[in-house]
Amino acid sequence: DAGVIQSPRHEVTEMGQEVTLRCKPISGHDYLFWYRQTMMRGLELLIYFNNNVPIDDSGMPEDRFSAKMPNASFSTLKIQPSEPRDSAVYFCASSSGRQGGNQPQHFGDGTRLSIL
Amino acid sequence: EDQVTQSPEALRLQEGESSSLNCSYTVSGLRGLFWYRQDPGKGPEFLFTLYSAGEEKEKERLKATLTKKESFLHITAPKPEDSATYLCAVHISRHFNKFYFGSGTKLNVKP
Repeated sequence: DAGVIQSPRHEVTEMGQEVTLRCKPISGHDYLFWYRQTMMRGLELLIYFNNNVPIDDSGMPEDRFSAKMPNASFSTLKIQPSEPRDSAVYFCASSSGRQGGNQPQHFGDGTRLSIL
Repeated sequence: EDQVTQSPEALRLQEGESSSLNCSYTVSGLRGLFWYRQDPGKGPEFLFTLYSAGEEKEKERLKATLTKKESFLHITAPKPEDSATYLCAVHISRHFNKFYFGSGTKLNVKP
């Protein structure tokens, strides 16, 4: 079975440009999570969705960040305008809400973002 | 305040030298504790879920245990391929499906 698929794997762009990260969750999973990982702050939850609806976006750092999930098989995380401090690895994860939740989250291999 | 703390930050072992990694937590309403392995350039890979104090799970050279305050990941006779960063995460009842991750332990096993 295919796991969580993220694209692009690497993105290098200049400050001020718009960046769009993409994620395809595991088929049948109804929860989708966006994380950011840095050496200083570790793995931080940015936002998560249940059945395509955003549930908690309290981790989104600023209004420059936005996320959408137009259908069950696709989500985007957008940064506009981008800044050098946004440089990090961004992960998407998905999980099943069956059995009352408490199921493991399964991660993609991330997008390494560098803002110059 | 909910906290998850992993120790040590880094651990260097010789091949075959057994040891343990620690994940301590101060949360209310623990629903589950999850262990992950992360290789460089990859996403975290799920290893184990522990739901209640006293529970144990095993997979090859790894064994995870859980008490009311902490979890241990025991590595028996490690091999170089066990080198990775190990992360723990907690799921608490008032935040449905939201995980809180520790900062990880970077394990290096030398041949």
